[in-house]
Amino acid sequence: EPEVTQTPSHQVTQMGQEVILRCVPISNHLYFYWYRQILGQKVEFLVSFYNNEISEKSEIFDDQFSVERPDGSNFTLKIRSTKLEDSAMYFCASSEGLIAGDYEQYFGPGTRLTVT
Amino acid sequence: QQQVKQSPQSLIVQKGGISIINCAYENTAFDYFPWYQQFPGKGPALLIAIRPDVSEKKEGRFTISFNKSAKQFSLHIMDSQPGDSATYFCAASTPGAGSYQLTFGKGTKLSVIP
Repeated sequence: EPEVTQTPSHQVTQMGQEVILRCVPISNHLYFYWYRQILGQKVEFLVSFYNNEISEKSEIFDDQFSVERPDGSNFTLKIRSTKLEDSAMYFCASSEGLIAGDYEQYFGPGTRLTVT
Repeated sequence: QQQVKQSPQSLIVQKGGISIINCAYENTAFDYFPWYQQFPGKGPALLIAIRPDVSEKKEGRFTISFNKSAKQFSLHIMDSQPGDSATYFCAASTPGAGSYQLTFGKGTKLSVIP
């Protein structure tokens, strides 16, 4: 069964450093998302991406964040200068497209980001 | 108005019992309501979802009940099993308005005891 994959599973970085989190969405999916989950809290939407551009973003997704689809398979989230409060589990998700009813989002296993 | 309120925060059910988790929302534009199951250290896994044009949807032991007028929806897990022990999140979005971002509830930690 196709699945969303994410690398690395755990990333430790120092405050102020740049990190890139990588995701490979399900191959025929057209919509891509990043969410984050601070330990013990709910999952929060960061950004959605369609047709090589951001379609929606939340207040959390400030200028420190960027997303990119560098090739036909990868989808990345970059945090330019990490802060302690960026420590969280980051989930990538994808969904099939815009056809009515194709709203199901499938999540990857997540990358645990620890900022020290 | 974008919030989805979920209760209870935690739930302990005996094996074979019925687990019930409730969610309420304010935004009447929400028109897609999925439930996700999350095991420790894993990503949320889509369990079942409902649109507001139906009042109930059943898949195996999992049933969503939807009350549009009350702006509430709930997940029922029949014949609960220890393997169902996980955190469950309700969510909502407005794909009809072109927005696919999911707004999640705070989650319910379910423990099914033998």
